[in-house]
Amino acid sequence: GAVVSQHPSRVICKSGTSVKIECRSLDFQATTMFWYRQFPKQSLMLMATSNEGSKATYEQGVEKDKFLINHASLTLSTLTVTSAHPEDSSFYICSANTGGGDTEAFFGQGTRLTVV
Amino acid sequence: GENVEQHPSTLSVQEGDSAVIKCTYSDSASNYFPWYKQELGKRPQLIIDIRSNVGEKKDQRIAVTLNKTAKHFSLHITETQPEDSAVYFCAASPEKGGGNKLTFGTGTQLKVEL
Repeated sequence: GAVVSQHPSRVICKSGTSVKIECRSLDFQATTMFWYRQFPKQSLMLMATSNEGSKATYEQGVEKDKFLINHASLTLSTLTVTSAHPEDSSFYICSANTGGGDTEAFFGQGTRLTVV
Repeated sequence: GENVEQHPSTLSVQEGDSAVIKCTYSDSASNYFPWYKQELGKRPQLIIDIRSNVGEKKDQRIAVTLNKTAKHFSLHITETQPEDSAVYFCAASPEKGGGNKLTFGTGTQLKVEL
């Protein structure tokens, strides 16, 4: 199957700082990528849809100024958590589809963010 | 928007028994229904999926059934093994070219006991 790589896998940051998470499609081009957040023992919740060359579409309740998404190329989307606080600590995971009628979503390995 | 409910939240079975997890969805536009297995701290792993033009799909010990009229779908695992222990998520999506966003169920912690 297709490969989606996410970096870093773990990050610890201080309150008030910003953290950037990268999501790359390694062997295919992705015009659309998705960012999810998963709190411990909970489900994956869609945060936003990242669109190459245009603005991201955010789900209701997700602050676009806090979670900045950039999808500048067909293989890379980034999520920046700005002014992070302890309540932002979570597992962030991206996904992408190869398109062309193939609907399987390929997930990155996830990023465990801890804000101290 | 789409709402996916999943039951049970926890399921404990004896090795060799069958396990069934059920999901319901709300949006009639959804027509792609994947099931994922997730181990702690890992990415979700697709184990089987079904599209709305199919009522049942089977892959070795795993099967999924879909009732589009009732808006529910189920995962069946037969001859369970200890390595089947994990959290399972159902999801629903309106299928479209170029990508699809998934609405996940709340998850089922499956424990297969020896």
